[in-house]
Amino acid sequence: QSALTQPASVSGSPGQSTTISCTGTSSDVGGYNYVSWYQQHPGKAPKLMIYDVTNRPSGVSSRFSGSKSGNTASLTISGLQAEDEAEYYCSSYTSRSAPYVFGTGTKVTVL
Amino acid sequence: EVLLVESGGGLVQPGGSLRLSCAASGFTFSTYPMHWVRQAPGKGLEYVSSILGNGGSTSYANSVEGRFTISRDNSKNTVYLQMGSLRPEDMAVYYCARDTRPGFAFDIWGQGTMVTVSS
Repeated sequence: QSALTQPASVSGSPGQSTTISCTGTSSDVGGYNYVSWYQQHPGKAPKLMIYDVTNRPSGVSSRFSGSKSGNTASLTISGLQAEDEAEYYCSSYTSRSAPYVFGTGTKVTVL
Repeated sequence: EVLLVESGGGLVQPGGSLRLSCAASGFTFSTYPMHWVRQAPGKGLEYVSSILGNGGSTSYANSVEGRFTISRDNSKNTVYLQMGSLRPEDMAVYYCARDTRPGFAFDIWGQGTMVTVSS
């Protein structure tokens, strides 16, 4: 099962905004509003940041927002802060035999 | 506090077996689907397996189908992953995760347990 495609890395200065894309197919990202995003710091477990494309769990900063257009979902981080430097993964529900697929991961660097 | 704690990882030879456990606390365990996700060293996240709250339905990634079995004991608030015919490519940190319910995401993660497959 092929992973969703994300850019390997993105960067931005503190206070700027940055957007991470997550491209799939009509069998996953494009077919369902069940895209989620995870933040992972080195040596730590992933943390849910966005679910169902646009929803933020309680406690997640409003600087994080999600959207989707066609087969591509996006995570935008506004007002970049040093603590946002981490690896980010998207995930989607899929109609294939295994119900979930993750993205390839994007390293966010705060300059 | 909602908590997931994995255990059971370790060193196993290729072709061997291992059973991982994930003990849950702080929520009504039997009402939540549970999942296993793994991460090979230096690599990304990979979906492994899921089980519904009543244990009645399970799902697997193609890469582990037929070799891994997920199960749960709601009386012990624990989900298991029985791994067999282990291969070097199964070496990874294995995380258990709770389902968002309703939803199709993973909202609570354990700290992970490392499985090393090597002779």
